[in-house]
Amino acid sequence: ELKVEQNPLFLSMQEGKNYTIYCNYSTTSDRLYWYRQDPGKSLESLFVLLSNGAVKQEGRLMASLDTKARLSTLHITAAVHDLSATYFCAVDRSGNTPLVFGKGTRLSVIA
Amino acid sequence: NAGVTQTPKFQVLKTGQSMTLQCAQDMNHEYMSWYRQDPGMGLRLIHYSVGAGITDQGEVPNGYNVSRSTTEDFPLRLLSAAPSQTSVYFCASTKARTTNYGYTFGSGTRLTVV
Repeated sequence: ELKVEQNPLFLSMQEGKNYTIYCNYSTTSDRLYWYRQDPGKSLESLFVLLSNGAVKQEGRLMASLDTKARLSTLHITAAVHDLSATYFCAVDRSGNTPLVFGKGTRLSVIA
Repeated sequence: NAGVTQTPKFQVLKTGQSMTLQCAQDMNHEYMSWYRQDPGMGLRLIHYSVGAGITDQGEVPNGYNVSRSTTEDFPLRLLSAAPSQTSVYFCASTKARTTNYGYTFGSGTRLTVV
């Protein structure tokens, strides 16, 4: 059974600081996703990571994937208040299988 | 291009009532899934489909039925609503294992069972 664990589950950051969210998964997968969710809203796709060593960046967010370690990271650089949201990682196994989500990391960026 | 459309956005049901949550997509996506989101639990898979006429159970299927008669539509039926089914429900779709293509989520249905 595929399990996805995120940590931390809650994160309070000061503006301007850097931090990393970790996503571990339990079985082989070649595809990892990061999503953002604002309160009361749907999920917005941030990154799709397709291979070992993949790195993608968008603004202050950078995601990476290590399939051998079954680990993905979402690094936040110089946090700003607009990044406050809940971030989810999700994984699907090869073949016709749907996404399995982590429990999410609730990020709060404070002045 | 409407994407993934879920209706209704809000619903209050009495215990024992039945209802159908609608999900439609206009992107010709093969894969469609239903998730429920509860505080602290992330998103848990209820049912999914890899194409018209094909459905399968996810992690929490009890109390829910689905069917996939067309590529576009994937309705979720609550047979006899229970307070434990109070949740936010999301429908998602994607093309089958297409490179670099993520899942598109609907806006959600917030269901309260009293």
